[in-house]
Amino acid sequence: QSALTQPASVSGSPGQSITISCTGTSRDVGAYNYVSWYQQYPGKAPKLLIHDVSNRPSGVSTRFSGSKSGNTASLTISGLQAEDEADYHCNSYTGSSPLYVFGTGTEVTVL
Amino acid sequence: EVQLVQSGAEVKEPGESLKISCKGSGFNIATYWIAWVRQMPGKGLEWMGLISGSASDTRYSPSFQGQVTISVDNSINTAYLQWNSLKASDTAIYYCARRWAITGAPLGDYWGQGTLVTVSS
Repeated sequence: QSALTQPASVSGSPGQSITISCTGTSRDVGAYNYVSWYQQYPGKAPKLLIHDVSNRPSGVSTRFSGSKSGNTASLTISGLQAEDEADYHCNSYTGSSPLYVFGTGTEVTVL
Repeated sequence: EVQLVQSGAEVKEPGESLKISCKGSGFNIATYWIAWVRQMPGKGLEWMGLISGSASDTRYSPSFQGQVTISVDNSINTAYLQWNSLKASDTAIYYCARRWAITGAPLGDYWGQGTLVTVSS
């Protein structure tokens, strides 16, 4: 099972909205509503931002939102801020082996 | 407060064995699953496998099956990742992450701080 496909980099100006895509297959992203998104700063552990496609854990800013259409999940960051500059990773449950698959990762730059 | 605290950085030579740990606090590891995730230098995250806190079930990614062993000692709330014979290509940061005991639950509502493993002759 290959990694989910994400754009290598996405950039935007402060205040703008950006969207990061995560493309899988009908065996992972398309099969289950178990897509998660993680934010990772350099040298730090990932942090769970979104789970079950669109649910935010307590404490995560409402500027982060998730959605899914077919085999592609998306993370949207609204009102882009300098602190959003980080790497973002998607992940999907597959129900088979491997049980989970990560995306290729996206570097977000705030211009 | 829930925490996962991993053992410190390791420098090993090819062929050596290694066991790194992930100690949970603030929760009972026996009622969760613990996943291990690899991040090679400058690369993305890779799911390696996970184990039930009761040690009754372990799942491996085919990419790591036979290369590593995941175990847990819930009497001391600690999970482990071990290698019998390290390779230079095992050089990476390894993270442990907690997962709820629900099918399809997301990996990592809490994460360890990561353990850097360097394998070099």
